[in-house]
Amino acid sequence: NAGVTQTPKFQVLKTGQSMTLQCAQDMNHEYMSWYRQDPGMGLRLIHYSVGAGITDQGEVPNGYNVSRSTTEDFPLRLLSAAPSQTSVYFCASSPRTSGFYEQYFGPGTRLTVT
Amino acid sequence: ILNVEQSPQSLHVQEGDSTNFTCSFPSSNFYALHWYRWETAKSPEALFVMTLNGDEKKKGRISATLNTKEGYSYLYIKGSQPEDSATYLCAFKKNNAGNMLTFGGGTRLMVKP
Repeated sequence: NAGVTQTPKFQVLKTGQSMTLQCAQDMNHEYMSWYRQDPGMGLRLIHYSVGAGITDQGEVPNGYNVSRSTTEDFPLRLLSAAPSQTSVYFCASSPRTSGFYEQYFGPGTRLTVT
Repeated sequence: ILNVEQSPQSLHVQEGDSTNFTCSFPSSNFYALHWYRWETAKSPEALFVMTLNGDEKKKGRISATLNTKEGYSYLYIKGSQPEDSATYLCAFKKNNAGNMLTFGGGTRLMVKP
């Protein structure tokens, strides 16, 4: 199993550009989440999904959209990039069967917005 | 927004020292408390998932305790080694909150040889 994969690993955007961060998992996990990590602030939840077709907002959803058309994929879209979105983005999945929501993280995408 | 706090923010210890750090979280609507280990340039990996008041978990030299009534968890490392150097994150899962976890800011541990 590849686990949770994310692409790209690094990205530089100009202010106002849009892009999609890809996330895929091959563990058949029902739950998936997107976090951003900023210095001194730990991980903050952007959006999450409890299954295909179901998404919800986390702590910091503004400026981001998600969709979940399949169990495997959970892309994160930046609509109009801003310097405040410079961060490291982590995708995570967890199995519903465990009941405890243990997160399996991808390797991260480092995004810089200039 | 839930308040999950970790202290200290960073810690420098000598190899062989034992150390501990704290995670505090809301004491109401508790469902689970997670601890993750996050090495530089890698992804966070789960250490423990704790669900019951009084829970104690152990993995090698690392152990954790949980007090849900007062809203805190301790992580202990016995005889720290340089390979224990990492950021340790705790995450609080509230009851009836879907897949939402709230993470603390982390404790960065540096172990000097």
